[in-house]
Amino acid sequence: AQTVTQSQPEMSVQEAETVTLSCTYDTSESDYYLFWYKQPPSRQMILVIRQEAYKQQNATENRFSVNFQKAAKSFSLKISDSQLGDAAMYFCAYRFILNSGYALNFGKGTSLLVTP
Amino acid sequence: DGGITQSPKYLFRKEGQNVTLSCEQNLNHDAMYWYRQDPGQGLRLIYYSQIVNDFQKGDIAEGYSVSREKKESFPLTVTSAQKNPTAFYLCASSSGPGNQPQHFGDGTRLSIL
Repeated sequence: AQTVTQSQPEMSVQEAETVTLSCTYDTSESDYYLFWYKQPPSRQMILVIRQEAYKQQNATENRFSVNFQKAAKSFSLKISDSQLGDAAMYFCAYRFILNSGYALNFGKGTSLLVTP
Repeated sequence: DGGITQSPKYLFRKEGQNVTLSCEQNLNHDAMYWYRQDPGQGLRLIYYSQIVNDFQKGDIAEGYSVSREKKESFPLTVTSAQKNPTAFYLCASSSGPGNQPQHFGDGTRLSIL
């Protein structure tokens, strides 16, 4: 089974600074997708960014970017110019094939605190 | 607006009682999922359904049941056999291609009376 590990239960960053959240995963597949989701205190799950494993270029969405190291099975999320609204739980997820469709395996999450 | 609606937002269960959590989507997605979220545990898959009238067990299906009679609806029943039902439950859906993300509802918080 594909496992997803987020080794940082909590992280803290000052407003306007940059923070990196780490994620590693275990898989024997060569083609797959990875996602980062954000869960604010409202507990909605919001997609932040996605990465296709066969694409070498790192995905970017505004202030959010990833550092995808396929050989190392690492998928870290970088948040630039951090804002108070970025405070949330962040979950890394691996998409795997399940019967005729797909499902996600999630890491345990990293709680991000943003200080003024 | 298209989306996923979960109801109720909060639910209380008495001992020995079955309760049903509702999940409805108008995104025309084929696949639907139920996850359980506990503190420090991330999200764990309970059941999933790729098409109408078909569903499969996830990692923690014991004490739960589902049905998929309509494409739009995927209700989850927490039975009395689930001894530790207190958790946050999230419903999700996705379209066919694997690069498409799952869209989530706002969740239901279930507690024991």
